[in-house]
Amino acid sequence: NAGVTQTPKFQVLKTGQSMTLQCAQDMNHNSMYWYRQDPGMGLRLIYYSASEGTTDKGEVPNGYNVSRLNKREFSLRLESAAPSQTSVYFCASSRGLMGQYFGPGTRLLVL
Amino acid sequence: GENVEQHPSTLSVQEGDSAVIKCTYSDSASNYFPWYKQELGKRPQLIIDIRSNVGEKKDQRIAVTLNKTAKHFSLHITETQPEDSAVYFCAADPSLNKLVFGAGTILRVKS
Repeated sequence: NAGVTQTPKFQVLKTGQSMTLQCAQDMNHNSMYWYRQDPGMGLRLIYYSASEGTTDKGEVPNGYNVSRLNKREFSLRLESAAPSQTSVYFCASSRGLMGQYFGPGTRLLVL
Repeated sequence: GENVEQHPSTLSVQEGDSAVIKCTYSDSASNYFPWYKQELGKRPQLIIDIRSNVGEKKDQRIAVTLNKTAKHFSLHITETQPEDSAVYFCAADPSLNKLVFGAGTILRVKS
């Protein structure tokens, strides 16, 4: 089992460019999540998907969109990147009320 | 919404000593409390969790205690080792599958 995988590992964007972060899990988990991690601020939830076909906003959804493509895949899109979106992005998955398992992260730098 | 406060923000201990990290939460509906360890440049990893119907849980050198009346929970690490050095995050789950994280504690174990 690969667990939770994310691509790309690192990305540099110019302000206004768009990109999609990909996430996939092979643990047959129903729920998937996108977080951003900034120094001193812990992990903040951007969007989550409790099950295939549903998505909901988290704490910091502005500037992002998501797609739950199927049970395995959950993508995060930045339509017009801003320097404030420079961060480390983590995808996670879980089954029911159990611990969430994280992917390796994507480091995004917006210039 | 749920708010999780974590203290201290940094903690230095001598190898072999114990370390205690405390978290408080605001939403009485929260009933699941995981702890994550994040090494530098790595993903957060679940190390222990506790549910609201349990007061204490142990796993080798780590333990978690929960006081639902006071709305606080703590992580205890005994006989600390240099490899325990990391950032530790607590979290609370106020609604199914939606974790709110504390800001993190940097633990340094000096040998």
